[in-house]
Amino acid sequence: GAVVSQHPSWVICKSGTSVKIECRSLDFQATTMFWYRQFPKQSLMLMATSNEGSKATYEQGVEKDKFLINHASLTLSTLTVTSAHPEDSSFYICSVPGRLYEQYFGPGTRLTVT
Amino acid sequence: GEDVEQSLFLSVREGDSSVINCTYTDSSSTYLYWYKQEPGAGLQLLTYIFSNMDMKQDQRLTVLLNKKDKHLSLRIADTQTGDSAIYFCAESMGSNTGKLIFGQGTTLQVKP
Repeated sequence: GAVVSQHPSWVICKSGTSVKIECRSLDFQATTMFWYRQFPKQSLMLMATSNEGSKATYEQGVEKDKFLINHASLTLSTLTVTSAHPEDSSFYICSVPGRLYEQYFGPGTRLTVT
Repeated sequence: GEDVEQSLFLSVREGDSSVINCTYTDSSSTYLYWYKQEPGAGLQLLTYIFSNMDMKQDQRLTVLLNKKDKHLSLRIADTQTGDSAIYFCAESMGSNTGKLIFGQGTTLQVKP
């Protein structure tokens, strides 16, 4: 399968600070990437679609000013959690479309806000 | 809205077959997927099936799709301890393969 990397794998930050998470597609160039959020022992929830060269598309209920997405190149998308609060603590996972119908997921970034 | 439901836990003995079930609500979903997540790791795509198919087999994995009942199952033959993980089914939002709706995940425990 395609290789998708995320950085960092784990980050701890203080309330009120901002954190940037990177998602890189190592095998495919991707005009779109996707960001998901997973709470402990729960399912993944789609947050937004990252679009290269244009604004991200956010799912209903996701604050676009809170979760800033930048699709810097065909292989890199970043998610910035701004003014983080403890309730933002979660596992953030990105995905990249494959050649056909596959969707490849990164290893995830665990964010802990203290 | 769209919803995907799975049972939360399944325990089997090594060598037995495991069957993980999933129901979904969006009849317009074009693709349905099974992913595996091991502790501390990302999601690994196991297999997918088109909505116009009834069955797909890939080595030890068999996927059955009952579109009328909106029921999807994953059968793992000769289950091994290394199969212990959380298994997620997911449906695409229509034909958009990038936007997936996931079930809660089924924890498969394989006892030696």
